[in-house]
Amino acid sequence: DAGVTQSPTHLIKTRGQQVTLRCSPISGHKSVSWYQQVLGQGPQFIFQYYEKEERGRGNFPDRFSARQFPNYSSELNVNALLLGDSALYLCASSFKLFGYTFGSGTRLTVV
Amino acid sequence: AQKVTQAQTEISVVEKEDVTLDCVYETRDTTYYLFWYKQPPSGELVFLIRRNSFDEQNEISGRYSWNFQKSTSSFNFTITASQVVDSAVYFCALSEETNTGNQFYFGTGTSLTVIP
Repeated sequence: DAGVTQSPTHLIKTRGQQVTLRCSPISGHKSVSWYQQVLGQGPQFIFQYYEKEERGRGNFPDRFSARQFPNYSSELNVNALLLGDSALYLCASSFKLFGYTFGSGTRLTVV
Repeated sequence: AQKVTQAQTEISVVEKEDVTLDCVYETRDTTYYLFWYKQPPSGELVFLIRRNSFDEQNEISGRYSWNFQKSTSSFNFTITASQVVDSAVYFCALSEETNTGNQFYFGTGTSLTVIP
C-alpha cells in the first residue's frame, strides 16, 4: 500500500508569492494533519482535518489555510510568503484521530 | 509552555555502544499519548512507538527499549548495541486527547550519530 504522498518534494518561491502544497493520505484514512518543521526544530502543528472539517489549528497566521477534499486528500496554502516560511512541511494521515503516519514532506525555500 | 523537552541536542557514540535518549513531558491531562519518531536525512518521520498514559509497562523491541515513568514525567528511549543505521534525529512527542481532535507537541529532537 502507498504511504502518505506529498507533492511537490521541493519548491522554491519568492517572498510575497503564494504556494499550495498537496497531500494524499493512506487509503482509508480520514484524518490529515499539517506540520511545519523549521531547520533544527521539531515539527509544529498547523492544521488538522477530519472528515473534511477543521478539527484543530495551531498558532499560525491567517496567511496559512487548508482544506480537505471528499477523497480525503488535502491542500495547504500559504499566502504572502515570508523568508521565515522556509521549512519542511509534513503531512500526516490517520484512520481515526490517532496513530499518524507521516509523509516525507515538501521542502519549501523562500528567497 | 513547552510540553516536551529533549535536553540532549546531539549525541555521538561509537558503534555497538548503548545510548539513551531522554524525554521529559508536561501535561495536565490524565489521558495522553507519548511517541517516539525517527527522522533520517530523507525527512520522513518514522514511527517507533506509542504509549498511552495508563500503560507504564516498559517495552523492548529488538535493540530498542522504552522506559515510561509517570512519576518523573519521563519517556526515555534506549538503543542497545547501536549501529550506523541508527544515525538520525529522534523526536519525542506528546498528544493530548481533546474533543476537537489532537495535535502532537514535539520536542526539539536529539541528533544521534553512530560512529563506525
